[in-house]
Amino acid sequence: GAVVSQHPSWVICKSGTSVKIECRSLDFQATTMFWYRQFPKQSLMLMATSNEGSKATYEQGVEKDKFLINHASLTLSTLTVTSAHPEDSSFYICSAVLTSGMNEQFFGPGTRLTVL
Amino acid sequence: GEDVEQSLFLSVREGDSSVINCTYTDSSSTYLYWYKQEPGAGLQLLTYIFSNMDMKQDQRLTVLLNKKDKHLSLRIADTQTGDSAIYFCAERANQGGKLIFGQGTELSVKP
Repeated sequence: GAVVSQHPSWVICKSGTSVKIECRSLDFQATTMFWYRQFPKQSLMLMATSNEGSKATYEQGVEKDKFLINHASLTLSTLTVTSAHPEDSSFYICSAVLTSGMNEQFFGPGTRLTVL
Repeated sequence: GEDVEQSLFLSVREGDSSVINCTYTDSSSTYLYWYKQEPGAGLQLLTYIFSNMDMKQDQRLTVLLNKKDKHLSLRIADTQTGDSAIYFCAERANQGGKLIFGQGTELSVKP
């Protein structure tokens, strides 16, 4: 149980285009999901907290107009990288919170974004 | 502020024990976690320890917590080549369940 999927697993796009990444909790409902960014050989950097039915909370330094987050249902959050540039190339990982007991976060497999 | 630090690399021989260390600064952390990340993959929760515990053992994994020194360690007994990965420790901040991750320790297991 507690499986989180991401789609796509990898994407290559041209500079200036927008890319949408989906995060789904497959067998549980998640009112809260988190979006992280990871550069090669580095740690995970929290970008934003996605709350179902309300606006996302962004971490300091993360542009909300650049990284649009929509958490329209209890099983789906989307991250849209708008007007992508090569510096947005990264590994994006989401997690979903299982609201019981420890409020454990379960992580998706990640999405590799390459912007040419 | 919250900060979590780990050594970046560890190399061991197959069959030996591995000990990965982590220090953190937030004394109010509720839970401390160890995650494993294989190349190109997401994070797999290995184990966790509640802040009022000193030790937790789960099969080959032993977590030790020294709350006074804010030091956390993960010991992997009988390390196998399949254990080669990056290991992240993380603390759970009090605010909204956010996790603060260390830089990750790359464990290399040599046959």
